[in-house]
Amino acid sequence: QVQLQESGPGLLRPSETLSLTCTVSGASIRSSFWSWIRQPPGKRLEWIGYIYDGGTTNDNPSLKSRVTMSLDTSKNQVSLNLTSVTAADTAVYYCASGVGWLTDWGRGTLVTVSS
Amino acid sequence: EIVMTQSPATLSVSPGERATLSCRASRSVSFTLAWYQHKPGQAPRLLMYGASSRATGIPARFSGSGSGTEFTLTISSLQSEDFAVYYCQQYNNWPWTFGQGTKVEIK
Repeated sequence: QVQLQESGPGLLRPSETLSLTCTVSGASIRSSFWSWIRQPPGKRLEWIGYIYDGGTTNDNPSLKSRVTMSLDTSKNQVSLNLTSVTAADTAVYYCASGVGWLTDWGRGTLVTVSS
Repeated sequence: EIVMTQSPATLSVSPGERATLSCRASRSVSFTLAWYQHKPGQAPRLLMYGASSRATGIPARFSGSGSGTEFTLTISSLQSEDFAVYYCQQYNNWPWTFGQGTKVEIK
């Protein structure tokens, strides 16, 4: 059974860079696609992007190229960086396996952007 | 981007009753539609993909139908563990997008 756990700082100040890690157990990150999704308070889920095949990525144009994703095969982790955060980036951030449909999800981690 | 609209926002149902959830796409997504269940504090769970294929381990009381712009998730006889928020999601056009959710609550 694949398990995913997101981790990272819960509080950021505006203009900082959000860095999150997703630790995967029960599967090799080499063998699948990995996605990041977020849900701001009171709003719908938003697909941030996905990564696969050693580092090929695709991110949501709405995030205006602020997104970087990477794979650490030695730790079986997937990472997300989001630069120049604002209050609008406050959300629960999820990592999940799959592209198209998402087979397994983490429980999410709340990130708050506030001065 | 394709906008997904779910209705109703909240559905009040008694245990054992049938629940019908709707999802509409702003333009055709063919059969590229998934459904998820989300309970507070838990990871979201994939229910359906390809509009009507049940994911691994999903009980037969869950069924999906539709194509193009109109989709339905039916829960034939609600169990206590089925009270949750349900989301639809299209994966026909990038960026893939989600509906705003339907909360199924106990009547």
